[in-house]
Amino acid sequence: DVVLTQSPATLSVTPGERISLSCRASESVDTYLHWYQQKPNESPRLLIKYASQSISGIPSRFSGSGSGTDFTLSINGVELEDLSIYYCQQGNSLHTFGAGTKLELK
Amino acid sequence: EVQLVESGGGLVQPGRSMKLSCAASGFTFNNYDMAWVCQAPKKGLEWVATISYDGSSTYYRDSVKGRFTISRDNAKSTLYLQMDSLRSEDTATYYCASLNLGEDYFDYWGQGVMVTVSS
Repeated sequence: DVVLTQSPATLSVTPGERISLSCRASESVDTYLHWYQQKPNESPRLLIKYASQSISGIPSRFSGSGSGTDFTLSINGVELEDLSIYYCQQGNSLHTFGAGTKLELK
Repeated sequence: EVQLVESGGGLVQPGRSMKLSCAASGFTFNNYDMAWVCQAPKKGLEWVATISYDGSSTYYRDSVKGRFTISRDNAKSTLYLQMDSLRSEDTATYYCASLNLGEDYFDYWGQGVMVTVSS
């Protein structure tokens, strides 16, 4: 099974800063890597598909990059509404999710 | 507007069965593969099972193989998850989610339904 390791587990942020979240796969998943946001008591929401492709309705401050085993989700100018848990998911071999990165206010 | 509405959760004893449903609307159901994803309390997301758009293919995570069955009724635009031989570790919120044909990401999600396995 493909294991996805997300880091850091928790990130303390200041509104306005640019941040990067990491997702590392135990084997290559090409670009079959997607990112989700989950706010407290809500369902997950798709943010980025195929490592770097944008999703309609998602703010442009969210972007993704990477291929193979190393991926990054970036937020350019964090806003308070972005305080959530972020998950990566691979679809190259069935489906697995990373354990998530929680964004909290510094 | 796309809507996925789960139902059928609740409290169930270990070893017993429960069947979840997910009613879909706002999109062409039989053009989408569908899946169940679960989330144990205070834990992360775990994929459970996927069914192809026409029901001909199903896939399961190892821990539920032989105990859970995913199915669909395209005439009713409804997805199901039959859960047998339930264990305490199956306690979670279960989400139904859609995958556009040929894609491997979950684009729409339901609000989730809680299943608690306890005596």
